[in-house]
Amino acid sequence: DAGITQSPRYKITETGRQVTLMCHQTWSHSYMFWYRQDLGHGLRLIYYSAAADITDKGEVPDGYVVSRSKTENFPLTLESATRSQTSVYFCASSEDGGGSTGELFFGEGSRLTVL
Amino acid sequence: AQRVTQPEKLLSVFKGAPVELKCNYSYSGSPELFWYVQYSRQRLQLLLRHISRESIKGFTADLNKGETSFHLKKPFAQEEDSAMYYCALSWGYSTLTFGKGTMLLVSP
Repeated sequence: DAGITQSPRYKITETGRQVTLMCHQTWSHSYMFWYRQDLGHGLRLIYYSAAADITDKGEVPDGYVVSRSKTENFPLTLESATRSQTSVYFCASSEDGGGSTGELFFGEGSRLTVL
Repeated sequence: AQRVTQPEKLLSVFKGAPVELKCNYSYSGSPELFWYVQYSRQRLQLLLRHISRESIKGFTADLNKGETSFHLKKPFAQEEDSAMYYCALSWGYSTLTFGKGTMLLVSP
């Protein structure tokens, strides 16, 4: 089925380890986003990408790395995981970046626990 | 800087009661505002956008530029409306800024 998928859905790791969360979309949307969802903070933008090979920082980029070599994939890497990065991570895609339509299509989320 | 404020973390009402989820924004430009909803075990999805002036699932929201508000309203709440609601502001044509969310609980 076409759509946006995230993997893994659940991940437990230890402090200092590298973790990569995958995001894949089949709509050929130009824009892709990574948000983290935390109690009391809502959704905060980590990184976004307007097209392949174009990425930009969001509100909370520290400790994260992204790449976008192909339009359909937008992996998020935690190079050295910390406990403060325990969160639910949402990937989203959009044709127009959420401009006038505001419509982002979200994945199911990846719940990451850092021990 | 752009900001979205949802003052209530939790709103609890009885079935059939009116609902108003508050959203205030701070933005120097012309705002584009939206409401997103996340039902239990479902993906976050767009509920409505101010530019459409539409009613979705009985919900409406009016942009009040004077009060910088975009409150979500429904005259008679249903149990299936229980969910997390996020107000969002679009700026720069490339990103949405979300509020912290309000959990709506509708009791029978």
